Amino acid sequence: SYELTQPPSVSVSPGQTASITCSGDKLGDKYASWYQQKPGQSPVLVIYEDRKRPSGIPERFSGSNSGNTATLTISGTQAMDEADYYCQAWDSSTVVFGGGTKLTVL
Amino acid sequence: QVQLVESGGGVVQPGGSLRLSCAASGFTFSNYGMHWVRQAPGKGLEWVAFIRYDGRNKYYADSVKGRFTISRDNSKNTLYLQMNSLKAEDTALYYCVKEEDNGFDIWGQGTMVTVSS
Repeated sequence: SYELTQPPSVSVSPGQTASITCSGDKLGDKYASWYQQKPGQSPVLVIYEDRKRPSGIPERFSGSNSGNTATLTISGTQAMDEADYYCQAWDSSTVVFGGGTKLTVL
Repeated sequence: QVQLVESGGGVVQPGGSLRLSCAASGFTFSNYGMHWVRQAPGKGLEWVAFIRYDGRNKYYADSVKGRFTISRDNSKNTLYLQMNSLKAEDTALYYCVKEEDNGFDIWGQGTMVTVSS
């Protein structure tokens, strides 16, 4: 079965750039989406179709997807961005989520 | 406003059954594919099932195939998940999710299912 691999944790200083990767076989041939989840809340879509931002999502969130890796980039990271982030893609007739990455802003 | 509200969760014994419902409002429900996604306590997101906008195609995770059935009633703007032969590992918060343009753009607040004797 298809798998998406994320680092368990990423740390970043306020104002710096955070990058979270998501790896999967030929992931660049699929659309990748990213979700932010804060404690006790439902996930929120932050990037879809590799690099598109839903309305209301700050411009500091961006995405890319090529080869075997999709990347979520948060520029000028703020304390409010501290959360769990999940990548997601369709593979054939199933949906796969990455294991999640805890972003710590310190 | 656009909203998904799940209901039907609860405590059930192993081997038992439960039916979850999800009431949609604020958008044309019959135009969109819908999913169920679950999250075990302290764990990550796990996709459960998908149903096409017209109900003609349904896909399931291997972990629930043959035990769970996804369905929808577009006249009632409601999504369902029938869960049979429940196991302890099915214990999770179950989210109803709308998909648009390959992204899961609207999530409900979730309904908790606990499988325990």
